[in-house]
This record gives sequence, structure tokens and C-alpha cells, in this order.
Amino acid sequence: AQTVTQSQPEMSVQEAETVTLSCTYDTSESDYYLFWYKQPPSRQMILVIRQEAYKQQNATENRFSVNFQKAAKSFSLKISDSQLGDAAMYFCAYLGTYKYIFGTGTRLKVLA
Amino acid sequence: ETGVTQTPRHLVMGMTNKKSLKCEQHLGHNAMYWYKQSAKKPLELMFVYNFKEQTENNSVPSRFSPECPNSSHLFLHLHTLQPEDSALYLCASSQERSGGVGSYNEQFFGPGTRLTVL
Repeated sequence: AQTVTQSQPEMSVQEAETVTLSCTYDTSESDYYLFWYKQPPSRQMILVIRQEAYKQQNATENRFSVNFQKAAKSFSLKISDSQLGDAAMYFCAYLGTYKYIFGTGTRLKVLA
Repeated sequence: ETGVTQTPRHLVMGMTNKKSLKCEQHLGHNAMYWYKQSAKKPLELMFVYNFKEQTENNSVPSRFSPECPNSSHLFLHLHTLQPEDSALYLCASSQERSGGVGSYNEQFFGPGTRLTVL
């Protein structure tokens, strides 16, 4: 069975600095997708970034980028130039054949 | 209305009550999901409806009963719940494509219903 692990329950970053959130997963599948979702306090969960496992190039979306290490089954999220609006719960998610699996989340605090 | 909406946003109920959660998606998707979100636990997938047919039921207790009358609406009927059922219940939708992986299915989430069972 597939699993997703986020080992950092909480992280803090100074405004304008860079922070990296960790995610590891376990699977026997060769083709899958990985996602980072953001859930701000009392707001809807939204997709931040996605990565196709068959692509070697790391995905980037403006200030958000990932470090995808397929052999190590690692999928970390880097947030550059952190802003107060980045404060939220961040969930790593795995999508294999028809099934989504989420991690326990990392709460990111942004300090002014 | 846009995206995925859920009503009510907050619900407090006793263990003997019967209530329903409603989800509506305005994205033209053909798959809808119910998740349970509890503190310090991964999101738990409860039910999946694909093309209005239930395709997955992850051993959810029978006190939770889903209903999907059409591809835009999803309900979760609740009866004789327990205090441990208190959680945030999230609805999501996606556009399923044939062929499995190779057609990623980004999920769009609603704001959730915060349920408290007394």
C-alpha cells in the first residue's frame, strides 16, 4: 500500500526568507503524480503545485518549486521569498492508479 | 457560485440527531469525493462517486450514508453519530479521464463542514 509521510508537523520562516517542506512516500508503482496542497486557516484547500513522476524536471510555480527525487521517493516543496499569506497547512499528496493519498500536513508559520 | 460549495459550514448535533451535509460543484466534473479531516491525521477518503456511481467505500461506518443524485451534487447523510466523528468534512471534485495514470485528476476542494457531535 502507498503511504505519504510529512515528518515536520510545524515549520516557521521569516518573511522574505526561504523554507523547505519535506515529504516522502512509498509506492511500488512507476507512474504516478505528486501534489502539494495549501489549506489556509478557515479557507479552502487549493492546489499549489504538481509533479508528474515520469518527468525528471522539477515543477515550478512562481515562488514555489519542488525537489523531486524519484529514486529516493522524496518530494519537497520550497517556498522562496515567503509572504504572510503563505501561512497555512500544507499537504503532500500522492495520486496513483485512481487513488489519492494525503500526508498529515505541515503547519507553516510566517513571521513578520 | 463557482468552484465547490458546501453547506452548512458549521454543524453541531447530538448523537441521536439525523442531519445531512451538502456539496455542490460548478466545474462540470464527473467525480466527487467525501473526506474526513481530523487533527494530526491524514485526510481520510470516505467515499468516491465516479459518473454518479459509488466506486470506493473505505470501510466507513454505516452511520455515514452518501447520496449522489447527479454529477453536480453530493450528500452525506448522518445518523446516530459518535463524538469521535467530530471533524472537518471536505468535499472535492475532479474530472476523471479514462486510462488511469497519464491523466492526472487534480481535485478541487470545498470549504468543508465543521461537524461537532455532542
